[in-house]
Amino acid sequence: DAKTTQPPSMDCAEGRAANLPCNHSTISGNEYVYWYRQIHSQGPQYIIHGLKNNETNEMASLIITEDRKSSTLILPHATLRDTAVYYCIVRVEGHNYGQNFVFGPGTRLSVLP
Amino acid sequence: NAGVMQNPRHLVRRRGQEARLRCSPMKGHSHVYWYRQLPEEGLKFMVYLQKENIIDESGMPKERFSAEFPKEGPSILRIQQVVRGDSAAYFCASSDLDRNSPLHFGNGTRLTVT
Repeated sequence: DAKTTQPPSMDCAEGRAANLPCNHSTISGNEYVYWYRQIHSQGPQYIIHGLKNNETNEMASLIITEDRKSSTLILPHATLRDTAVYYCIVRVEGHNYGQNFVFGPGTRLSVLP
Repeated sequence: NAGVMQNPRHLVRRRGQEARLRCSPMKGHSHVYWYRQLPEEGLKFMVYLQKENIIDESGMPKERFSAEFPKEGPSILRIQQVVRGDSAAYFCASSDLDRNSPLHFGNGTRLTVT
């Protein structure tokens, strides 16, 4: 099972910031948080990952709370092409190595014109 | 730097035939993972391989499915005697040696069994 919980769906107006939350209250000290998105019929696209510091790249920003029990992915200026299912993943320790990248149901983000 | 390449993008097989799906990892990546996504469902882990070794196949169906990642050439996922329930999108991902590195996915092979 995934170690994260996300809202099943969210809407965002085009041009506004999209803030996607993720809870990972059982995260361990050395476990990273990863974000992916899947646009219909395509492969999951890597967005960003982090351990405890906030991270930013050309696609998004990742804000991790100080206690690391939750994080938020921020798309600063959402476009219609950002409509996708967004997955927050924490590697599951204790499983066979190959199984530890577990996809949950994610958040379906709809960017509205 | 080419990403993960999968082929074919679409594959149609009749029941009982064999399906062979190919995956070339990103340059410099030595770890390959296969996932399956059934229609309207999430991605499920199938198998994790390194060159010439299967590390974890705990997500593979016990029969008809096999995977390899030879010393030379792409990784192959083989499905023998396909059935309609095998119809799905099959995604390959690769990563480098760092345990904390992200996985990078290809755009998948969509298998349709008629």
